[in-house]
Amino acid sequence: NAGVTQTPKFQVLKTGQSMTLQCAQDMNHEYMSWYRQDPGMGLRLIHYSVGAGITDQGEVPNGYNVSRSTTEDFPLRLLSAAPSQTSVYFCASSYSSGTAHSYEQYFGPGTRLTVT
Amino acid sequence: SQQGEEDPQALSIQEGENATMNCSYKTSINNLQWYRQNSGRGLVHLILIRSNEREKHSGRLRVTLDTSKKSSSLLITASRAADTASYFCATASGTYKYIFGTGTRLKVLA
Repeated sequence: NAGVTQTPKFQVLKTGQSMTLQCAQDMNHEYMSWYRQDPGMGLRLIHYSVGAGITDQGEVPNGYNVSRSTTEDFPLRLLSAAPSQTSVYFCASSYSSGTAHSYEQYFGPGTRLTVT
Repeated sequence: SQQGEEDPQALSIQEGENATMNCSYKTSINNLQWYRQNSGRGLVHLILIRSNEREKHSGRLRVTLDTSKKSSSLLITASRAADTASYFCATASGTYKYIFGTGTRLKVLA
């Protein structure tokens, strides 16, 4: 199993450009999520999904879109990049059960994004 | 808004010593998890403790949970240089929204 994969590893964007960060998992996990990590801030949840066709907002969703058309993939779209979106982005996945999310999350290696 | 806050922010110890880090949170939870992050890498799950558990062990790791104080501690015994990393607690409170703390940076000196 490859686990959780993310592409690209590094990306530089100019303000106003759009792009999609890719995330895929091969563990048949229902739950997938996107986080951003800024220095001294820990990880903050952007969006998450509990299955194909089901997404919801996390703590910091503004400026980002997601969709989940398959179990395996959960892309994150930046609509119009801003310098405040400079960060390291992590995708994660896990099993889920009912309404209580109680399984460990598996993280991808991250995408380091710089917006100039 | 960060629910989990780790303490201390940074910790430096000698190899062989024990390392203790603490996590406090604000609301009731279903479970609390600890993760490790090596520099520049993704997070790796260490241990999960459910709200009805008070203590859990995994190898050299010992986690305690005090729901009345809304706090947890992670103890790493007989630390090694390879334990050098940042450690994060994460809480889930009945939804699918995990909240991560700001982390403790541990440095183990050989």
